[in-house]
Amino acid sequence: SQQGEEDPQALSIQEGENATMNCSYKTSINNLQWYRQNSGRGLVHLILIRSNEREKHSGRLRVTLDTSKKSSSLLITASRAADTASYFCATDTINTGGFKTIFGAGTRLFVKA
Amino acid sequence: AAGVIQSPRHLIKEKRETATLKCYPIPRHDTVYWYQQGPGQDPQFLISFYEKMQSDKGSIPDRFSAQQFSDYHSELNMSSLELGDSALYFCASSLIQREAFFGQGTRLTVV
Repeated sequence: SQQGEEDPQALSIQEGENATMNCSYKTSINNLQWYRQNSGRGLVHLILIRSNEREKHSGRLRVTLDTSKKSSSLLITASRAADTASYFCATDTINTGGFKTIFGAGTRLFVKA
Repeated sequence: AAGVIQSPRHLIKEKRETATLKCYPIPRHDTVYWYQQGPGQDPQFLISFYEKMQSDKGSIPDRFSAQQFSDYHSELNMSSLELGDSALYFCASSLIQREAFFGQGTRLTVV
């Protein structure tokens, strides 16, 4: 199964509202990243939070990380129709076999104008 | 700024044929990842390279192989193609343990 599990799977909100997406993972990580993907397009990096960080902001984005609960959340404030996309969390792990970045199932966000 | 370049953008192959996808990472990035994304699915990690050496493997079928060359470009080779291999294939590059930048993907359709 995927390292990251996200909820909700789909979210529909009105423009101007806040959107919160959650991600849980199973194993120890080095970093956790959030990406955005418009349908059929490449993934765009949003924010990276390291395992020793608890919160990070970037513009209208706020990411939290709770390593004790193995979970992270992405908050988009004052959402816009242009925020409509799929949002993925990805965990970076390093082990004796190497390193990898594993993506969760994604949350499909729909922002209604 | 230079981005990750993937070629071709679209590819149509018949069952049992072979396909080769190419990826040109951002200059000076030392890490390359390959992902497969089926319709409505999340990206599935296939394989990664660090400094031209294979770093880790994910759910990559034995029919698939990949390598990274001396100029840092990478190729994903897929043989004995099956209908289920139809997907978007993304390449990403990064400096190790930093944010990854994705290419626009290659859409493979197996008919």
